[in-house]
Amino acid sequence: EIVLTQSPGTLSLSPGERATLSCRASQSVRNSYLAWYQQKPGQAPRLLIYGASSRATGIPDRFSGSGSGTDFTLTISRLESEDFAVYYCQQYGSSPWTFGQGTKVEIK
Amino acid sequence: EVQLVQSGAEVRKPGESLKISCKASGYTFSNYWIAWVRQMPGKGLEWMGIIYPGDSDTRYSPSFQGQVTISADKSISTAYLQWSSLQASDTAIFYCARPLVSGSFDAFDMWGQGTMVTVSS
Repeated sequence: EIVLTQSPGTLSLSPGERATLSCRASQSVRNSYLAWYQQKPGQAPRLLIYGASSRATGIPDRFSGSGSGTDFTLTISRLESEDFAVYYCQQYGSSPWTFGQGTKVEIK
Repeated sequence: EVQLVQSGAEVRKPGESLKISCKASGYTFSNYWIAWVRQMPGKGLEWMGIIYPGDSDTRYSPSFQGQVTISADKSISTAYLQWSSLQASDTAIFYCARPLVSGSFDAFDMWGQGTMVTVSS
């Protein structure tokens, strides 16, 4: 089973700042099958990025994903108020599919 | 419009059985895998398993194998998650989710609204 470790656990930033979230896999993620999700309280997760770097439909271009192998990054170029949430990475290259433990982006 | 609509919140006692549902609409149900994801109170997401309604091929996470049963009825475009004997530790929100691409294991672009299951004596 691939273990995904996200860092930091919490990121305290101000609106307009840049957010950089990390997701490290315990072994290489096949074909960069790595996704990022955003979850707000009381809501289902929302897909942001798939295939490590492709934005899902309707996702603003301030969200970008990068990486390959075992190291992946989600970048939010300029935080807006609606971006404060919890973010999860997920690998779907090897069964069982697994999620990281999440990074909370909170208002500083 | 593609939608996954889950059954409502449930409260059960330890040892009781339960079956929750996820009804799909707006696409060809048989052609897409459907997954179940657990979120315990205040915790992260856990992938439980996945089913292909077209032929009922089902895969489970080792953590959930033998603990739950995933099934689907393609005649009514509905997937199910069931327990034969609930425990307090099963208290969680359960989401169904559909991958981006038909017939493929992929990121989940469609999610149900979640079903809260509370197990308490």
